[in-house]
Amino acid sequence: GENVEQHPSTLSVQEGDSAVIKCTYSDSASNYFPWYKQELGKRPQLIIDIRSNVGEKKDQRIAVTLNKTAKHFSLHITETQPEDSAVYFCAATDSGSARQLTFGSGTQLTVLP
Amino acid sequence: NAGVTQTPKFRVLKTGQSMTLLCAQDMNHEYMYWYRQDPGMGLRLIHYSVGEGTTAKGEVPDGYNVSRLKKQNFLLGLESAAPSQTSVYFCASSTGWAEAFFGQGTRLTVV
Repeated sequence: GENVEQHPSTLSVQEGDSAVIKCTYSDSASNYFPWYKQELGKRPQLIIDIRSNVGEKKDQRIAVTLNKTAKHFSLHITETQPEDSAVYFCAATDSGSARQLTFGSGTQLTVLP
Repeated sequence: NAGVTQTPKFRVLKTGQSMTLLCAQDMNHEYMYWYRQDPGMGLRLIHYSVGEGTTAKGEVPDGYNVSRLKKQNFLLGLESAAPSQTSVYFCASSTGWAEAFFGQGTRLTVV
């Protein structure tokens, strides 16, 4: 099955700086890669996603890049704000009929004021 | 539009007791999933369903059973709870080709 590895596990940045979180996946047939943000005590919520036929996607301060050859994808947050502090999860969905969503282990992002 | 709703939100069980967690979605999604979340381990898939009447094992299925008798509901059962099943449980649903929507979670403690 799919295996998703995520780094770093914790990340602290100064407000206004950029943050980058990286993930690798094992199944070359995976074709959908979402990123979720989870605030303390809340449910995970989608912040951005990318499909395998696209190399990069941007939504305001958030961007995701995908390198299919290397099987890795990254989340980039620019001009970080204190409200960006949360746990971020990457995930990959296989292309088979099960459409299993496999998550990375998460990154605790802290934005220091 | 309620989205995905889980009941209960909190539960304390004694070792050996049984319980059922209910997940209900109103988005007509085919795919439904049960995850457990433990510190430092992300979200691990317990069981999933690709449609009404179907279920399949995920990464950590031992000690759990599921049923999907109706398309909108996905039940997770613990027949004999163990302290190792103390966790936060999340249900999710999706079309299978886009965003998965999560319920609010169930915090389960087994003592």
